[in-house]
Amino acid sequence: DTEVTQTPKHLVMGMTNKKSLKCEQHMGHRAMYWYKQKAKKPPELMFVYSYEKLSINESVPSRFSPECPNSSLLNLHLHALQPEDSALYLCASSQDTWGTPLHFGNGTRLTVT
Amino acid sequence: EDKVVQSPLSLVVHEGDTVTLNCSYEVTNFRSLLWYKQEKKAPTFLFMLTSSGIEKKSGRLSSILDKKELFSILNITATQTGDSAVYLCAPNTNAGKSTFGDGTTLTVKP
Repeated sequence: DTEVTQTPKHLVMGMTNKKSLKCEQHMGHRAMYWYKQKAKKPPELMFVYSYEKLSINESVPSRFSPECPNSSLLNLHLHALQPEDSALYLCASSQDTWGTPLHFGNGTRLTVT
Repeated sequence: EDKVVQSPLSLVVHEGDTVTLNCSYEVTNFRSLLWYKQEKKAPTFLFMLTSSGIEKKSGRLSSILDKKELFSILNITATQTGDSAVYLCAPNTNAGKSTFGDGTTLTVKP
């Protein structure tokens, strides 16, 4: 079990649906991240939040909308996704954004039909 | 653009063998280099390296960083079947950006 909790574990959605992925950590970490991982590929950074403020957006399409309501929670709102967005979405946290280790959640397996 | 190259991409060994995994990198604003192990789900942290030439060790695993030549190695001695996984190298910048290499898939046969 990891200390970063992601829900749901699996999600199937149509291209017109709106859904949200949720992530929670209680380690007092001040940086939180969303990564996307396709099969047999490494995790690919999407967003970084530092002290609840968005600090990095890796040119992610606007159909992905992150939100950090407080220091423990991170959401990823999904709307009008494409089948090629199907992937494992990993949330991670770290003490800060100064090169400290990432603690990953087990991910949400997303399928877009 | 940041670049991370891991080699070999895959490796098959027998239990008891020693393996060396390589990671070369080119990133701006380098802060640290981290190694992760990924089995079926989330990557788990192995080592964080910030200084050249200082070996980090944990049981049968060890790792070292060369900041001048921009590479790191991860050694695993006396491999076990439980070491089978993808090993990911990730240099990190001082903005919190970790760029992952493609990983080395290690298979340890009994």
